[in-house]
Amino acid sequence: DGGITQSPKYLFRKEGQNVTLSCEQNLNHDAMYWYRQDPGQGLRLIYYSQIVNDFQKGDIAEGYSVSREKKESFPLTVTSAQKNPTAFYLCASRSSVDTDTQYFGPGTRLTVL
Amino acid sequence: AQRVTQPEKLLSVFKGAPVELKCNYSYSGSPELFWYVQYSRQRLQLLLRHISRESIKGFTADLNKGETSFHLKKPFAQEEDSAMYYCALSGDYKLSFGAGTTVTVRA
Repeated sequence: DGGITQSPKYLFRKEGQNVTLSCEQNLNHDAMYWYRQDPGQGLRLIYYSQIVNDFQKGDIAEGYSVSREKKESFPLTVTSAQKNPTAFYLCASRSSVDTDTQYFGPGTRLTVL
Repeated sequence: AQRVTQPEKLLSVFKGAPVELKCNYSYSGSPELFWYVQYSRQRLQLLLRHISRESIKGFTADLNKGETSFHLKKPFAQEEDSAMYYCALSGDYKLSFGAGTTVTVRA
């Protein structure tokens, strides 16, 4: 299962605090993605990055920020501006060769108290 | 804009019965469609893609451009097929997912 790792598995934060979720991949993939998974709503795209030092907003980017300083890392910051941050967050990556398949990490469950 | 619709949130079938998960899409370009599956305590993973026209774990899916559908089918469901299934459409360098269908196969 290696390849894409997310840490931590569970994260608890107080309301009003920013929190950063880690996503690392050793697959040498160019593209990386962040999704939010909520019951009954499927996966919704937060941000994505096609290449180092470049990223684009997805469908629900408000209240989130990302960086892509290294090819293997794509951290997601959930800011205090995100109105409903409690959710399961999934990171994924995709090869520039096999452009169809996304490979997913194990996810981080964030709970804001 | 691209959109994927999975009308069924829950689907319960008996072991050995056929199962069909519905997926409809809207996309202005030429669609590339996929089914992803998430088994309990496992990562989300690719099940099959329309372009390869393959059968994986007994599942098949046919792209019907006229009906804009990509339904997933299996003639004889097994208990190990119990999982969450997502239909996804690739376009504009990103995947758009449906809301997902939870399948429960009962003995």
